[in-house]
Amino acid sequence: TQLLEQSPQFLSIQEGENLTVYCNSSSVFSSLQWYRQEPGEGPVLLVTVVTGGEVKKLKRLTFQFGDARKDSSLHITAAQPGDTGLYLCARVGGNEKLTFGTGTRLTIIP
Amino acid sequence: EPEVTQTPSHQVTQMGQEVILRCVPISNHLYFYWYRQILGQKVEFLVSFYNNEISEKSEIFDDQFSVERPDGSNFTLKIRSTKLEDSAMYFCAIRPRGGNSPLHFGNGTRLTVT
Repeated sequence: TQLLEQSPQFLSIQEGENLTVYCNSSSVFSSLQWYRQEPGEGPVLLVTVVTGGEVKKLKRLTFQFGDARKDSSLHITAAQPGDTGLYLCARVGGNEKLTFGTGTRLTIIP
Repeated sequence: EPEVTQTPSHQVTQMGQEVILRCVPISNHLYFYWYRQILGQKVEFLVSFYNNEISEKSEIFDDQFSVERPDGSNFTLKIRSTKLEDSAMYFCAIRPRGGNSPLHFGNGTRLTVT
């Protein structure tokens, strides 16, 4: 089983602060995706990273894929209450089958 | 408008009963998936369905589970003889036709087995 460990498991910070969450695996990813899931909804895709060292930005969110393609980080600048949610990384396998990480539950306090 | 609608949004059933969870895509898709998320745990892959047959299934997807497209549009997950530990959110996901399209998830069905 290819486990994806995400850290921290829980994070609660004040609005306006910056934060980084991590996704780590012992094996190489062919590609990795980040999702956000809000209560009562399914996961929503934020980004896909494929190339080692790749950096992608989505407004205040910055996604980085490790050079060895075994880890990834998500950095949020000036967090807002709307960023609250469960952040999931996922390994993309054949036929787009996803193996999800353990998740980071983020709470932004107004 | 969501790409995929799941019904019911919440299903309560007694242990031992059969349940059918439905997934209705907005347009024709080739790939369908079911995932499960037990409360407080991670999202787990159950099964993928391609060209009207199962293409891959996980260890969780045992003989208690089955999937089908009864009318060529709806995609269903049947759970026979439900157990308490089947209580979870069940998410359907679809993959649009063409290229390396990402998955679109439905909002899930919350199954509660009592």
